[in-house]
Amino acid sequence: DQQVKQNSPSLSVQEGRISILNCDYTNSMFDYFLWYKKYPAEGPTFLISISSIKDKNEDGRFTVFLNKSAKHLSLHIVPSQPGDSAVYFCAARGDTGTASKLTFGTGTRLQVTL
Amino acid sequence: GAVVSQHPSRVICKSGTSVKIECRSLDFQATTMFWYRQFPKQSLMLMATSNEGSKATYEQGVEKDKFLINHASLTLSTLTVTSAHPEDSSFYICSARDPFWDRSNYGYTFGSGTRLTVV
Repeated sequence: DQQVKQNSPSLSVQEGRISILNCDYTNSMFDYFLWYKKYPAEGPTFLISISSIKDKNEDGRFTVFLNKSAKHLSLHIVPSQPGDSAVYFCAARGDTGTASKLTFGTGTRLQVTL
Repeated sequence: GAVVSQHPSRVICKSGTSVKIECRSLDFQATTMFWYRQFPKQSLMLMATSNEGSKATYEQGVEKDKFLINHASLTLSTLTVTSAHPEDSSFYICSARDPFWDRSNYGYTFGSGTRLTVV
């Protein structure tokens, strides 16, 4: 039962353009959502987060949008840079008292081309 | 910022032996630590949650006798893969949560991971 899904396994974007990575979830009890960037054989690096009581959070080139009614969130990267090429995971925190564990999505591989 | 150190970064062991992976929170006390496993090109799957001083809570399908987790102090959790077999080869990642987080990452900090290869 995949509670957090990223339906696009890969995305290619030209340098300078906008990258939009999408994430869907099924559990309405999730209260926080986080985006991570990951390289092979390394741990995830935190990028940006959003609380379920908000619909937008912005940090520099990164903006996360949350649509609770659709159970959908997206990460926008503007402008995209070659260094952004990596695998991006969205993660959701359960508000169920189970030690606040994070559930990860399936990941999207972003390739930013010159 | 909060730092989590994970060692070793990679290990090769023979089938049937046991391997211990350490996860340390360097500048904060982590009452809760998490262990994940990632197969190639797949997501991070939570294996277990450990709380300092108590038994770990394992996710469904994870063998607790095979993946022993110890969280004896507020800064150290260990994962021991017992009687390792080639199918246990994977990338293991720990995460520690700072209960007094004040950053937008909600206190979750990840280690750099351990590549385990069982031959």
